[in-house]
Amino acid sequence: EAGVAQSPRYKIIEKRQSVAFWCNPISGHATLYWYQQILGQGPKLLIQFQNNGVVDDSQLPKDRFSAERLKGVDSTLKIQPAKLEDSAVYLCASSSLGQRPGEQYFGPGTRLTVT
Amino acid sequence: GENVEQHPSTLSVQEGDSAVIKCTYSDSASNYFPWYKQELGKRPQLIIDIRSNVGEKKDQRIAVTLNKTAKHFSLHITETQPEDSAVYFCAASYGQNFVFGPGTRLSVLP
Repeated sequence: EAGVAQSPRYKIIEKRQSVAFWCNPISGHATLYWYQQILGQGPKLLIQFQNNGVVDDSQLPKDRFSAERLKGVDSTLKIQPAKLEDSAVYLCASSSLGQRPGEQYFGPGTRLTVT
Repeated sequence: GENVEQHPSTLSVQEGDSAVIKCTYSDSASNYFPWYKQELGKRPQLIIDIRSNVGEKKDQRIAVTLNKTAKHFSLHITETQPEDSAVYFCAASYGQNFVFGPGTRLSVLP
């Protein structure tokens, strides 16, 4: 089966600019996660969707970050405006309710550099 | 909310030796504990997991133990090989909500 797709793979922007990331989960996976992984740290959950509804967005900096999953499939994560501390890898993952809970399939990530 | 600590942050072992990584969690409601391996520049991949109704699970050279009372769980890798070199993350979960530890960088020296 095809894996989780993400684009772009790399992005360099200046602070105060805007950026958007796209994720296409594995077909049929109801749950979609966006994680922020700062260099040398573990992934931190930003937002979790179940179909097109938000399950958890408690760690999403809502003043600058937004995410949507309008049709319960693809998702976009946006940062506006970006700050230097947003430099990180943004990982998208998906899972199916019927699978082992930890069987999250991660995408290749988008490496964001804010200068 | 849940908080997961992981030790050590870095670990170097000689090829063939064993490696042990320990994690503690704070939320007694957590009932599922996966371990992920992340090689440099690659995505995290699930290597083993354990549920709270089990004390130990083994898969070839990898084993995980769980102490619910003390709220800690450990990853054991025996007969380490150079390809085991990576960053290992533990996580604690309730439902489908995951909290990751900060990671352990394991280096297996030939």
